[in-house]
Amino acid sequence: NAGVTQTPKFQVLKTGQSMTLQCAQDMNHNSMYWYRQDPGMGLRLIYYSASEGTTDKGEVPNGYNVSRLNKREFSLRLESAAPSQTSVYFCASRTKTPPGELFFGEGSRLTVL
Amino acid sequence: RKEVEQDPGPFNVPEGATVAFNCTYSNSASQSFFWYRQDCRKEPKLLMSVYSSGNEDGRFTAQLNRASQYISLLIRDSKLSDSATYLCVVNGGGGYSTLTFGKGTMLLVSP
Repeated sequence: NAGVTQTPKFQVLKTGQSMTLQCAQDMNHNSMYWYRQDPGMGLRLIYYSASEGTTDKGEVPNGYNVSRLNKREFSLRLESAAPSQTSVYFCASRTKTPPGELFFGEGSRLTVL
Repeated sequence: RKEVEQDPGPFNVPEGATVAFNCTYSNSASQSFFWYRQDCRKEPKLLMSVYSSGNEDGRFTAQLNRASQYISLLIRDSKLSDSATYLCVVNGGGGYSTLTFGKGTMLLVSP
């Protein structure tokens, strides 16, 4: 049971470079999410997709774009990376029926130099 | 008032102790409540959902107090393996689709 799979697990970028974080879930969940986690800040929502074909901004969307490619896949793109985007990124999907638990991927550790 | 607040700790307890964490939330319309556990450098994992009637899972008991807008987690007979950060999670003002995380409470259980 793969659950939520994120790639890559580690990445180092230079300021201004672009990259895409990939996420796929095999649990047939409608909702998918991208969070970032920074020391002392907790988990903050970047973008989410309540269902295939829809995306919405979360708490900290600036500098990011997302694509809900199909029901399984939800990618996060950094068009021009900045040092402030150094963080651990978690993708998650949520069960359809309430209370609606979140299931997380293992995380992607991104460093922007 | 922040949306979801937790005491960051750390809570240092000996093995076998009972420890309790509280979490307060600001949105009175919140419907879903959870406790997640996060080990160092790992992803958060669901510990338990929190229901209005309270619920228990082995050594863990979760309670919801809607009137005072807080949830609690009680851990009995603490084990070394319980050392982790415990995250309080509440569905946010955006409705069903969004969840808001507390910053977590760190628990350290010592021999």
